Formats: sequence, structure tokens, C-alpha cells
Amino acid sequence: DAKTTQPTSMDCAEGRAANLPCNHSTISGNEYVYWYRQIHSQGPQYIIHGLKNNETNEMASLIITEDRKSSTLILPHATLRDTAVYYCIVRSSTGANNLFFGTGTRLTVIP
Amino acid sequence: NAGVMQNPRHLVRRRGQEARLRCSPMKGHSHVYWYRQLPEEGLKFMVYLQKENIIDESGMPKERFSAEFPKEGPSILRIQQVVRGDSAAYFCASSPTGRNEAFFGQGTRLTVV
Repeated sequence: DAKTTQPTSMDCAEGRAANLPCNHSTISGNEYVYWYRQIHSQGPQYIIHGLKNNETNEMASLIITEDRKSSTLILPHATLRDTAVYYCIVRSSTGANNLFFGTGTRLTVIP
Repeated sequence: NAGVMQNPRHLVRRRGQEARLRCSPMKGHSHVYWYRQLPEEGLKFMVYLQKENIIDESGMPKERFSAEFPKEGPSILRIQQVVRGDSAAYFCASSPTGRNEAFFGQGTRLTVV
């Protein structure tokens, strides 16, 4: 699976959009981009995933660049409960695959 | 549809004892993943199982650790002769196939005293 690079930490004001970038320049054509988050010491929570089109669900939006070498997770209106470590993971769509977590981005939402 | 259930949530063992961690996947999920998270560290993949088969155990320590996912019943992560360094949170995730999103349980926090 391709490697990902994320900033170590970010701050966001409550109520504003949080934009979390991820670089995955070595991604291959059959690899999806997945986002998870871990709030404090809870189990990781699935957020969203995509292949090449932008995706949106009730939690977030995922914007993938046309060359697929980077993506951005957008939380449209961050709340204090969105404070967490956010993980960007690249995972192959063929075969059966596990998820490898990197160090992620620690997002702190500030009141 | 209940989520991934892990039990116990907290487990205390003395050095040298055995620890058994159980994971019941979501209904209809036949793929299970185990991860370990040491204090203040990230999630480390341990093992990936499909019913009755180990698909990938590349993250599993070679000694004292074993995992199974029988045809019936939960997946079990077994740690024999625990040591203080085994103290960690152990998370389990499940997915319907190996290519879908995986959903995590709330973890078992193992403390070795």
C-alpha cells in the first residue's frame, strides 16, 4: 500500500471548516483513500473513503486531486467533539487488505 | 445491528498469566483485524483473519501471541505469559469483505501488573 504524509497537528476554530490535507504521491490506480479518526482513546471511527471522485457524507467531504496524489478531508463546521487524531490511509481495492495507520494529524478544535 | 463488540473492556493480569481478548464482529462480517496501541503511540496492525483462516499475521509478535477466528463464535487474541510491555489497548475491527471499510470496537485495555 502507498505511504501517506500528513501534518502532525492542526488547530481549527469552532464553527469553521477544518481542512485536513494528505499527500499520497505514490498511490496506484486501484488504491482507495480512506479516512478514520480516533477521539481520545476510543476505537477508530470510519469517516469516508474514495477512489477518484469527490465524496460527501453526513460527516465530511473528501476532495481528491485529479492526479490523485493528494486529498483533503473537510469537516464543514467543526465542533469541539471533532477534536481527534485523523488518519489518512491508502488501501488497495483488489484482494483482501488490512489498514495500516500512520501517525495522523492531531486536530484541535478551539472554542 | 450492533457494532463490533469487544470484551472485556478492561483486563488486569499479573506477569506470567494468560490474557484472552474477545471480539465479536458486526453481523455479516467475516473479516477481522486486530491492532495494538501502546500508551501515547499509534495503532499498530497485528493480524488479519477471515473465518478459520489467518490472512496476514505480519504484525504479530512471533512468541506468546496467537489469534483465531473460528467458524462459530468470536475472534480470540491470546497472549500467553504476559509481561509489563504487553500493557496496551487492543482494538478489533471487522468488515464484510477484505475490501470494504472496517468498523472498530471500543477496545480492550490490558494492564499487566
